[in-house]
Order: sequence, then structure tokens, then C-alpha cells
Amino acid sequence: KAGVTQTPRYLIKTRGQQVTLSCSPISGHRSVSWYQQTPGQGLQFLFEYFSETQRNKGNFPGRFSGRQFSNSRSEMNVSTLELGDSALYLCASSGTGGGNTEAFFGQGTRLTVV
Amino acid sequence: GENVEQHPSTLSVQEGDSAVIKCTYSDSASNYFPWYKQELGKGPQLIIDIRSNVGEKKDQRIAVTLNKTAKHFSLHITETQPEDSAVYFCAENGAGGTSYGKLTFGQGTILTVHP
Repeated sequence: KAGVTQTPRYLIKTRGQQVTLSCSPISGHRSVSWYQQTPGQGLQFLFEYFSETQRNKGNFPGRFSGRQFSNSRSEMNVSTLELGDSALYLCASSGTGGGNTEAFFGQGTRLTVV
Repeated sequence: GENVEQHPSTLSVQEGDSAVIKCTYSDSASNYFPWYKQELGKGPQLIIDIRSNVGEKKDQRIAVTLNKTAKHFSLHITETQPEDSAVYFCAENGAGGTSYGKLTFGQGTILTVHP
């Protein structure tokens, strides 16, 4: 069974640009969550999507947005990039059927803003 | 709001010794407490979890204990091996128990096992 797949693995962007990251969850999982990991702030929750609807949202500015498609694949977008957005962005998938299950993480996308 | 305190931030042990990492949380509605191991260049890997209706869970050399009254839970690794060296994170689902997809993480513990 394939795990959570994130693309691309690495990205370098210029301040002011926007970026889109992609996440394919484990087959059958309907929940996709996004996290930002930095040395200073640790792992911080961005948002969670379930059945194409945002179910939970963390404390990040509106420049951070996401969506989920009917096949459960998810994308997150960051607009007007700032240097402080440089981080490892992690996606996790969970939830089969109607219940809650463990969250499994992908390898992450390393975003560097210059 | 949700908050998870994790201690210690670094832990160094000799191969074969035990390692204990402790976390405290603030949201009394939390009912799910996973532990993740993260190796360099990889995403976090779930190693064990516990739900609030259980006080202890064991999987080979790894065990987790939960004290809901005191709002703390701990990870115990026995007979440590060099390959256990990694960063360990505790987490809880302080979304009122409605989702396992919104996790609040501790700051992490860098575990080093010396051969």
C-alpha cells in the first residue's frame, strides 16, 4: 500500500511569489492535514480537509490556503511569500470509513524563500 | 487553547539503557495521544498511540502511559539501540475529540543512543 506522497520534495521561490504544494493521501483516507515545521516554532497545524471541506484551521494568515479534490488529493497554496515561510511543509492523511484513524505523514516539501 | 509541553529537549543514553520522554497537555477534551519519530530528512513516523480510555499500551520495546487526571503522558523505550536515535514528538488531538487530523505537537526530544 503506497504511503502519503508529497510533491515536489524541494522548492526555491522568491519573496513575493506564490507556491502550490501537492499531497496524495493513502488510498481510502479521506482526511488530509497540513503542517508547517520550522526549527523555531516546531510542528504547527495549518488546516485539515475532509471530504473536500475544511474541517479545522490553525492560526496562520490568509495567505495560506488549501483545497481538497473529490479523489482526496489536496493542495496548499501560499501567496505573497515571505522569508519566514521557509519551512518543511508536511501533509498527513487519516480517516477511513466513518471513524477516526491514525495520521500518517509524507516526506514533506522543503520550501526555501529567497 | 491547546498546548503541549515536552521534556527533556535532549536525551543522551547508552545502548541498552531505557529512555523516558514526558509530555503534559492542557485541553481536557483531548482523547488521542500519538508519538512520532522523525529521522533526518524524513517525515514523522507514528510509533505508538494511546486513547483516553486506556492507561497504558505496549508494543515490544516501546510503551506509553497516560494519566488523564494529571494531564500527562509518557513514552518509554527499553533496551535502546543506536537506530532509536532520532527526534521524538508527542501530540494530542485537542479538537474536542472530533478529529485525529488536527494535532498539537510538543517541541520534540532529540534522543541520542551511544553504542
